Amino acid sequence: QSALTQPASVSGSPGQSITLSCTGTSSDIGTYNYVSWYQQHPGKAPKLMIYDVTKRPSGVSNRFSGSKSGNTASLSISGLQAEDEADYYCSSYVSNSIRWAFGGGTKLTVL
Amino acid sequence: EEQLVESGGGLVQPGGSLRLSCAASGFTFRTYSMNWVRQAPGKGLEWVSYISSSSSTIHYADSVKGRFIISRDNAENSLYLQMNSLRAEDTAEYYCVREGTGSYLKPWGQGTLVIVSS
Repeated sequence: QSALTQPASVSGSPGQSITLSCTGTSSDIGTYNYVSWYQQHPGKAPKLMIYDVTKRPSGVSNRFSGSKSGNTASLSISGLQAEDEADYYCSSYVSNSIRWAFGGGTKLTVL
Repeated sequence: EEQLVESGGGLVQPGGSLRLSCAASGFTFRTYSMNWVRQAPGKGLEWVSYISSSSSTIHYADSVKGRFIISRDNAENSLYLQMNSLRAEDTAEYYCVREGTGSYLKPWGQGTLVIVSS
């Protein structure tokens, strides 16, 4: 069982905006602003899309944005494109000894 | 280009051992903490182990504690994972990942597949 909870699947049409959620606890997401999001296409390694809740690494489209409220973090994707179809994983720093918790992943389908 | 390349995966019998390696290039390896993260077939990501830049701090997930050993050689720009007493549930793609200022994981290697089966 994953430490963070994500919906198994989300779908949207090209051009639409969607939001993926990630629910943790007061011990992880609720305490630390070290929430990150990873995109994974089939057969590929995960790719960092958002870090520190809202920051975008260089090269990541500004259609991707992150936010957090309480114990829940969100990843929003605007202007949905076919290439956005992938699995998305959220992650949060937990503690010095446990280090990183991941969500179970959300499969995004672009209809 | 910052790059991580894993090797050493393969088929091993239950109870056996395997040593994974990760070669780093394109960045100053000795200044970064590193992690191993795994992904069972069709499943999500699971953090496995962490090692600080100087190897002074090491942590493991409960699922591998006492069986896996993480290490690094900063002179060789390499990260290792010694896996002992392997179980079927250790079957996964194993990724070598750099930790960025303690707040994210990037870059990721391409992964190396470990299959534990008789």
